[in-house]
Amino acid sequence: AQSVTQLDSQVPVFEEAPVELRCNYSSSVSVYLFWYVQYPNQGLQLLLKYLSGSTLVKGINGFEAEFNKSQTSFHLRKPSVHISDTAEYFCAVSEGAAGNKLTFGGGTRVLVKP
Amino acid sequence: AAGVIQSPRHLIKEKRETATLKCYPIPRHDTVYWYQQGPGQDPQFLISFYEKMQSDKGSIPDRFSAQQFSDYHSELNMSSLELGDSALYFCASSLEGVFSGNTIYFGEGSWLTVV
Repeated sequence: AQSVTQLDSQVPVFEEAPVELRCNYSSSVSVYLFWYVQYPNQGLQLLLKYLSGSTLVKGINGFEAEFNKSQTSFHLRKPSVHISDTAEYFCAVSEGAAGNKLTFGGGTRVLVKP
Repeated sequence: AAGVIQSPRHLIKEKRETATLKCYPIPRHDTVYWYQQGPGQDPQFLISFYEKMQSDKGSIPDRFSAQQFSDYHSELNMSSLELGDSALYFCASSLEGVFSGNTIYFGEGSWLTVV
């Protein structure tokens, strides 16, 4: 069975500073990896995904993530955050051929301060 | 572009009542997923349907049932509601077929409050 661990439940960061959200996963098979963002009182929006190929994935809103198979990690980064990036961020994994259902991590709340 | 549509957006029910949530997937998407997100929790997978057949099952209580209809919309039926069922219920859809890893698109969710 797959599982996802987001190491930080909350990350406060100042506006225009960089941010990194950590995500580790465990699975016995090859996985697909995703980051979703949830703004207050809204649904889940896909930021980026890793299926195969280049381990550095670029997404929307200036976010990027790097897949590291040896460390089973998929950390999310943004070089300069904005107030509007305040949200909950979820890392998720699916086992592809075993079905596309997503298993989510516990979420990381990013609070951007002016 | 059309997104996943969920209705109702907000629902208040009393304990032991029944609730039905509806989901209309993105056009041409053949797979629907239901997730439950409790307050301060991550979304938990409940159940999914591919081409109107149940394709996977997660932590869905026996009091809940779901189905996907011929027009691909899906309904989640919840009976004998309990206070702990209060949550945000997401529907999501994707296009399956032979390619796995297709993006799963989420609706805005239906807020269920059980009082």
